[in-house]
Amino acid sequence: QVQLQESGPGLVKPSQTLSLTCTVSGGSISSGSYYWSWIRQPAGKGLEWIGRIYTSGSTNYNPSLKSRVTISVDTSKNQFSLKLSSVTAADTAVYYCARESSYYDWGQGTLVTVSS
Amino acid sequence: DIQMTQSPSSLSASVGDRVTITCQASQDISNYLNWYQQKPGKAPKLLIYDASNLETGVPSRFSGSGSGTDFTFTISSLQPEDIATYYCQQYDNLPRPFGPGTKVDIK
Repeated sequence: QVQLQESGPGLVKPSQTLSLTCTVSGGSISSGSYYWSWIRQPAGKGLEWIGRIYTSGSTNYNPSLKSRVTISVDTSKNQFSLKLSSVTAADTAVYYCARESSYYDWGQGTLVTVSS
Repeated sequence: DIQMTQSPSSLSASVGDRVTITCQASQDISNYLNWYQQKPGKAPKLLIYDASNLETGVPSRFSGSGSGTDFTFTISSLQPEDIATYYCQQYDNLPRPFGPGTKVDIK
């Protein structure tokens, strides 16, 4: 049973870059035909798909965030990462990492607050 | 981009009631639709995949139907533990929008 765990700073200053890492356990990030995704949820609001990466390094991003998002993978550490630049208060949310097949297997989520 | 809509946005029903939520895609997505349940402070949980298939371990009171652009999610007999927000999500195309959610509570 694969498990995913997000990690990273819980507080980021406006205009800085938000950086999160997702550590995958219970299986190799390189095995199987999976994408590795990031999804976020502002408090009291719905789910927003940020983007995904395949272990080949191929990425897809939400057009609304594409100019600010970078997703990368480190297969040697069984991790993938999210960087979101030039953050504002609107980027405050719970950020989930997930394994994507035709559905998502989710991490528990981590709250990131953008505030000075 | 595909847009997903859900209705109602919230509902209140009694224990034992039949609850129905609809999800509409802005274009044909065949049966590439999942339904998730999210309880406060928790990650979403898959209930229904491929529009109508019940995920292993999910109670049979949950069901889904539909194809193309119109989908339905049903709880046949609402239980107190079903209080949650329910989201549909398409996986036919990128990006992967979720529906806006339907909040279900007990009357």
